Amino acid sequence: AQKITQTQPGMFVQEKEAVTLDCTYDTSDQSYGLFWYKQPSSGEMIFLIYQGSYDEQNATEGRYSLNFQKARKSANLVISASQLGDSAMYFCAANRRNTGFQKLVFGTGTRLLVSP
Amino acid sequence: DSGVTQTPKHLITATGQRVTLRCSPRSGDLSVYWYQQSLDQGLQFLIQYYNGEERAKGNILERFSAQQFPDLHSELNLSSLELGDSALYFCASSAGGGGSNQPQHFGDGTRLSIL
Repeated sequence: AQKITQTQPGMFVQEKEAVTLDCTYDTSDQSYGLFWYKQPSSGEMIFLIYQGSYDEQNATEGRYSLNFQKARKSANLVISASQLGDSAMYFCAANRRNTGFQKLVFGTGTRLLVSP
Repeated sequence: DSGVTQTPKHLITATGQRVTLRCSPRSGDLSVYWYQQSLDQGLQFLIQYYNGEERAKGNILERFSAQQFPDLHSELNLSSLELGDSALYFCASSAGGGGSNQPQHFGDGTRLSIL
């Protein structure tokens, strides 16, 4: 079974600074995917970025990048140049690849607060 | 806008009642997923349907059932409701059915409150 751990319940960052949100995963699978989602206070879940276990390069999507360290089983999200609109809950999730189904396992989330 | 539509946005009902949550996936997506988000359990996978057939089951109670119709919309039925069923229920969709790099796109959720 997969398990996702997000050890930071809350993080504070000043506008325009970079912030790293931690995510570690525990899986015996060889092939898996890692996802980050953002949940603003309005409640919707917004997909941010994906990293495959066999991807050699760290994923990037605009201001979001993923610091993937396979040996450490970590997939930290880096947000550069934080904006006030980045204040939200952030969830790390994983799935097993090469299966007939896609079930996401989520961590408990990190609440990010960006201050002016 | 994710393209996934969930109705209703809010639902208030009493213990013992039955409700139906509805989800329309993004155009072209064949898989529909249901998740429950509660304060004590976090985000939990309930069930996945792919092109009308059940593909995977998670921690879904026997009092809950789901189906996906030929037009690919899905319904989640919750019966004999208990106070602990109060939660935010998400529907998500993706193009494929198997584990892949395709992200699941979530609807805005249905907030269910049991009084």
